[in-house]
Amino acid sequence: GEDVEQSLFLSVREGDSSVINCTYTDSSSTYLYWYKQEPGAGLQLLTYIFSNMDMKQDQRLTVLLNKKDKHLSLRIADTQTGDSAIYFCGLLSAGKSTFGDGTTLTVKP
Amino acid sequence: EAGVAQSPRYKIIEKRQSVAFWCNPISGHATLYWYQQILGQGPKLLIQFQNNGVVDDSQLPKDRFSAERLKGVDSTLKIQPAKLEDSAVYLCASSSPLGSYEQYFGPGTRLTVT
Repeated sequence: GEDVEQSLFLSVREGDSSVINCTYTDSSSTYLYWYKQEPGAGLQLLTYIFSNMDMKQDQRLTVLLNKKDKHLSLRIADTQTGDSAIYFCGLLSAGKSTFGDGTTLTVKP
Repeated sequence: EAGVAQSPRYKIIEKRQSVAFWCNPISGHATLYWYQQILGQGPKLLIQFQNNGVVDDSQLPKDRFSAERLKGVDSTLKIQPAKLEDSAVYLCASSSPLGSYEQYFGPGTRLTVT
């Protein structure tokens, strides 16, 4: 099966950049994504990248994909307290979605 | 556009009891997913429907879990009998018929089995 690994916690100061990392094992995924989960809520799609891309930028969010190392990262510029949440890396392969266990981002004022 | 609706939001039962969860996906979404999210972990797919047919139920513990999607709209997930390890949040998600890369999640049902 598909394994997706993430570090569990990240703490940053408001205004700094946050970088959340993810590694995966299967290179046949067609689509990789980042979801955000706030307390008591379901997951919300933040951004995605197709497997034939290396980078995608969307306002404060930058996604980098290194297919050789099977590494995906999410950079949040100018991190705000409202960005505090759990961030899930995931991928779609053969029509099936697999998620990592999430990185809890804490933003300190 | 209304989001994915789930009920109940919370449920506490004793082990060996039965429980059912309900999901109403976004109108027009052909694909519906049920996930189990144990505290501290990511969502794990239990079952995926395309309209009213099952696409993937390989991780559904079929001895105790069942799910149906009658008429290709609403869905129910049932656990009978429940075990302590079934304590989790059960998330329902749906996606557009144009592609499954963006899933819209409901708020989930938090199940506690005592």
